[in-house]
Amino acid sequence: AQKITQTQPGMFVQEKEAVTLDCTYDTSDPSYGLFWYKQPSSGEMIFLIYQGSYDQQNATEGRYSLNFQKARKSANLVISASQLGDSAMYFCAMRESLIQGAQKLVFGQGTRLTINP
Amino acid sequence: DAGVTQSPTHLIKTRGQQVTLRCSPISGHKSVSWYQQVLGQGPQFIFQYYEKEERGRGNFPDRFSARQFPNYSSELNVNALLLGDSALYLCASSLAGRQGSEAFFGQGTRLTVV
Repeated sequence: AQKITQTQPGMFVQEKEAVTLDCTYDTSDPSYGLFWYKQPSSGEMIFLIYQGSYDQQNATEGRYSLNFQKARKSANLVISASQLGDSAMYFCAMRESLIQGAQKLVFGQGTRLTINP
Repeated sequence: DAGVTQSPTHLIKTRGQQVTLRCSPISGHKSVSWYQQVLGQGPQFIFQYYEKEERGRGNFPDRFSARQFPNYSSELNVNALLLGDSALYLCASSLAGRQGSEAFFGQGTRLTVV
């Protein structure tokens, strides 16, 4: 079974600083996808960034980038120039294949990020 | 375009009752998945439906069931509610059965069982 580990229960960062949220994964499937989601207190899971296992370059989306180190099985999220609105729970997830061609997302425990003014 | 919509947003039920949660996927998306998120944890996969057929099921008891309609909307049913069923129930839609970068979530239904 696939597994996602997020070792930082909480992170506190000053506004405008960069922050790195850690994520390690375990899988025997050579083809996989890694996701980061943001979950504010409202509950909605907001898609941030995606990295495929065969992608040659690290994914970037605006202020978000994914530091993908395949040999280390890590997929850390980097948020540059943090803003107060970045305060939320952040989840790392991996796509796992099921029978019948279906797929599901396996999530980590999450990291609560707090941006201080 | 509207995103994934779920109803109701909040719900309070009594132990032993039954509940139905609803989800409308993004227009053009044919796959709907359901997740349960207990407080303090990451979401756990319950079901995936694609083209009105169940394509995947997580480790949940038979009290949990779902279906997908011809318009690709979906319902999640939970019978004989237990206190432990209290959670945020999230629906995700994607274009096809594969949940690639197109997986988008709704705002969730917060179920409280008393």
